[in-house]
Amino acid sequence: EAQVTQNPRYLITVTGKKLTVTCSQNMNHEYMSWYRQDPGLGLRQIYYSMNVEVTDKGDVPEGYKVSRKEKRNFPLILESPSPNQTSLYFCASTRRYGGSYNEQFFGPGTRLTVL
Amino acid sequence: QQQVKQSPQSLIVQKGGISIINCAYENTAFDYFPWYQQFPGKGPALLIAIRPDVSEKKEGRFTISFNKSAKQFSLHIMDSQPGDSATYFCAASYFSGGYNKLIFGAGTRLAVHP
Repeated sequence: EAQVTQNPRYLITVTGKKLTVTCSQNMNHEYMSWYRQDPGLGLRQIYYSMNVEVTDKGDVPEGYKVSRKEKRNFPLILESPSPNQTSLYFCASTRRYGGSYNEQFFGPGTRLTVL
Repeated sequence: QQQVKQSPQSLIVQKGGISIINCAYENTAFDYFPWYQQFPGKGPALLIAIRPDVSEKKEGRFTISFNKSAKQFSLHIMDSQPGDSATYFCAASYFSGGYNKLIFGAGTRLAVHP
């Protein structure tokens, strides 16, 4: 079954304690992204990756890091989390059809609370 | 500043009614307009999408209407059902620098009452 998995699904942590949210896809997609979802703001892209070892900032990258050492995995790293990073996070893998035409496959989400 | 403006924020419709969600954009570089549906506790999933060379696309009870000159597009759900209760996101995409840039609207929470 084609899928994107994320772990953990829920996480409560404290300010400044480094954390990693893992993401894995089994569809052999080159493109992957991280989004955060906040009420009234929709989905905003944090970082994206066009292939192994190729990553770039999205629209809200401050306070986040990513890495892409393998095609299937794209972890999101918060080195010093702050309360304003409390949010619902989604990893997405992209099927490209050419030009702008694409389909995002989203993971189930990670609900993060930073105290 | 949101590049894709979506309204309303929430919508309540009776079973069998028509649900209408509207979106507007400014950037004329956008050339692909998908809608994503998100059920509680799940990630969004592609529902339907349209290219700007057509004014309407229909898939079952779901229809996208697209007005290129007004830079607006909308989702119509005919014969709305309680199972359609979800959050709907419009989005707009363009291709630049080897990458598909996708911008989402703020979302509309739809509740269909029996």
